[in-house]
Amino acid sequence: AQSVTQLDSQVPVFEEAPVELRCNYSSSVSVYLFWYVQYPNQGLQLLLKYLSGSTLVKGINGFEAEFNKSQTSFHLRKPSVHISDTAEYFCAVSDLGSARQLTFGSGTQLTVLP
Amino acid sequence: KAGVTQTPRYLIKTRGQQVTLSCSPISGHRSVSWYQQTPGQGLQFLFEYFSETQRNKGNFPGRFSGRQFSNSRSEMNVSTLELGDSALYLCASSLGLAGGPEELFFGEGSRLTVL
Repeated sequence: AQSVTQLDSQVPVFEEAPVELRCNYSSSVSVYLFWYVQYPNQGLQLLLKYLSGSTLVKGINGFEAEFNKSQTSFHLRKPSVHISDTAEYFCAVSDLGSARQLTFGSGTQLTVLP
Repeated sequence: KAGVTQTPRYLIKTRGQQVTLSCSPISGHRSVSWYQQTPGQGLQFLFEYFSETQRNKGNFPGRFSGRQFSNSRSEMNVSTLELGDSALYLCASSLGLAGGPEELFFGEGSRLTVL
């Protein structure tokens, strides 16, 4: 069984400041890792994913994440946020055999302040 | 191309009733997965269908069921509704290829309120 912990439920940050959203996971097997974003009244959109290879993954909208196997973390970062980045962000994992069965974290609400 | 379409977007039911939600995947996608999103439990996997067969199932009671048609459209049904079934039900489609992960494309969801 897997689990995902998003350490911060809410993150307020000023526009153009950097941001890091933290995610830790627990699994007894190798996993795939994902970050999804959900804007109000919308479904989820994939930001980026880690499958294998380079531990630094770049995604859409200027986001990137770093996979750290020893710390079982997959933190999401953006060097400079915009008002339009205000949304809820979900970290998720799946094991190699059930690629479409995602286990999600509880989400982090990112609010970008002017 | 058109995205994932879920209907209805909003609905209100009373305890004990049943509900059917529909999901039309992106053209060419053969896998449809369903997730329940609630403030308390977050996002939880319900089940996945591929080629009209349930391929994976989450930890939900038998009141939650689904099916997939030959055109890949999927429906999920919840019988004997309980207050705790109030949630946003999200459908996601993907190609359904075996092996590695695929990007899931989510619909906007069906928001169910049980009174």
